[in-house]
Order: sequence, then structure tokens, then C-alpha cells
Amino acid sequence: EVRLVESGGGLVQPGGSLRLSCAASGLTFGSYAMSWVRQGPGKGLGWVSSISGSGDNTYYVDSVKGRFTISRDNSKNTLYLQMDSLRVEDTAVYYCAKVHSLGYFFDYWGQGTLVTVSS
Amino acid sequence: EIVLTQSPGTLSLSPGESVTLSCRASQSVSDNYLAWYQKKPGQAPRLLIYGASTRATGVPERFSGSGSGTDFTLTINRLEPEDFAVYSCQQYSTSPLTFGGGTKVQIK
Repeated sequence: EVRLVESGGGLVQPGGSLRLSCAASGLTFGSYAMSWVRQGPGKGLGWVSSISGSGDNTYYVDSVKGRFTISRDNSKNTLYLQMDSLRVEDTAVYYCAKVHSLGYFFDYWGQGTLVTVSS
Repeated sequence: EIVLTQSPGTLSLSPGESVTLSCRASQSVSDNYLAWYQKKPGQAPRLLIYGASTRATGVPERFSGSGSGTDFTLTINRLEPEDFAVYSCQQYSTSPLTFGGGTKVQIK
């Protein structure tokens, strides 16, 4: 059974940093691209970033480019999201999601971790 | 960027009724690269449909997807109590990946 467990969320002031982690089990982690997707309060889901299975290729939504960095450690079956220069509008539940082998849609999701950016 | 518009925003229905949800794209979604998800409060999203019409593993047959180009639909035949949730569409034909705003299906 595939299991994704996020951690690292919390309350941070605007301009601050947080590092999210996603521990994966039940899959050959390095074989799959992974993504972060967020849902702000009262908003729909929003794609944040993706990374290829090898980690060589990364992709970001424009609003986080230059501020967020996605990475992975395949030896530890863990996905990361380093979030710097956080803004109030980054407040959301952040989900780790596995990319399906047939395309960039998501067949397994974690339970999410809440990031609150507020002074 | 492809903008996905879902309508209506909220539907109030009774168990046993059937419903069709709409997802309209601002430009054509090539190769029908459209997925549908179900989201309940406090739970992770669940993949229902990909490729516009292919049910994901374990998804009941009462869920079906159709459409092409810019107009897609998700149909739920005979709503079960566990089907009351928010349903979102997502296109994966063009970067950035985008989601619709969701349709909430609530109990009348």
C-alpha cells in the first residue's frame, strides 16, 4: 500500500522559511515523479511544483519560482519543499502527491500539512 | 495557462439521485488529458477519473467521465451517502497544471 506522510508545516511570519517533508512507503520511490499541491482557505486545489523521479528536472508554478525549491532523496524515500520568502498568500494545506506513470495527474496523496503565514 | 471553470459551485441533492458536473476549459485540453478528484474534509484528495473517461483503480462504476476539447463532465449515477464531497477537475496537457475551483455536492 502506497503511503505518503507530510510533515514540517506550522506558523511562520511573512518573509520566513519552512521546509516540508514527505515520507513515502509502499512504492519504488525513485521510479516516479512527485509533486506538491496546495489548497488555500476557501480555495480550490493548486499545483505548486513537481520533480522527476531522478530529481534532474524540476517545475514550478510562476508564483513560487525563485522562492520555493523542490528536491528529493531517493535513498530516504523522501520528498522536500523548501519554502523561502513566504507570503500571506502561501497559507494553505500542502499535499504531497505521486504522479501517475501515464501523465501528470495524481494517484496517491498524503493527508497534508498546514502552513500558516501570518504576523 | 488553461483556466478550468466548474459549474455549478454547489449542488444540493438526495441519496439515490444522479448528477452531472461540468468542467469547462479556456482552451482545448489536448489528448483529453483531464482528471477528476473527490475531496472530503480532512481527507486527502482521491483520483476518480483520468484521460477524461478512464476510471482509476477501485473507483465504482457509478462514476463516469466524458468529454473532449474544452467541455468535460463527471456523472455520478445514484448518489451514495459517501459521495457527498467536493469534486475537482485538473488538466495535465499543458504547464502549468491547473485545477478547477470545485463543485460541492451536498445533501439536501
